[in-house]
Amino acid sequence: DAGVTQSPTHLIKTRGQHVTLRCSPISGHKSVSWYQQVLGQGPQFIFQYYEKEERGRGNFPDRFSARQFPNYSSELNVNALLLGDSALYLCASSLLGGGGDTQYFGPGTRLTVL
Amino acid sequence: KNQVEQSPQSLIILEGKNCTLQCNYTVSPFSNLRWYKQDTGRGPVSLTIMTFSENTKSNGRYTATLDADTKQSSLHITASQLSDSASYICVVRAPEDYKLSFGAGTTVTVRA
Repeated sequence: DAGVTQSPTHLIKTRGQHVTLRCSPISGHKSVSWYQQVLGQGPQFIFQYYEKEERGRGNFPDRFSARQFPNYSSELNVNALLLGDSALYLCASSLLGGGGDTQYFGPGTRLTVL
Repeated sequence: KNQVEQSPQSLIILEGKNCTLQCNYTVSPFSNLRWYKQDTGRGPVSLTIMTFSENTKSNGRYTATLDADTKQSSLHITASQLSDSASYICVVRAPEDYKLSFGAGTTVTVRA
């Protein structure tokens, strides 16, 4: 079975641009979470979606938005990019997104903002 | 201030030796604590999970311990191998299901 897949793997943008990152969860998983990992730090929670509904949101500005589609794949959108948005963006899927669920991470998308 | 602090930030060990990584957290109450292994350029992979009532959990050469009273956890790596070179991240989940608090990780380098 395929694991969590993310696209693209690498991306270079300039300040002020917009970016869309994509994630396909493991087959059968209904919950997707997004994390931002700045170099040298642990991942920071951005969003969790379950059954196409936003279940939780981390401390990120409104420039960050996401959605989940009927097939449970997800997109993370970031508007008006800043240099500080340069990071590894991780997507994780789990069966139900509950406390005991194991989250399976994708390989991430490396975003560089120039 | 981060709710999960890890130490050391990095360490270098010789192949075959043991090492112990530390995690102190302030998240309270919490649902569970996990240790993840993250290879360079890859997503984290779960190694162990412990609830507040568990003291220890093993996964092969990895053994995690938890002291919920002192809010401390450790990850012990036995007989290290070159493939153990990675970042090890301590993650604490709060009762609000979606909320995860990640430590900054400890980077382990195993040398032959």
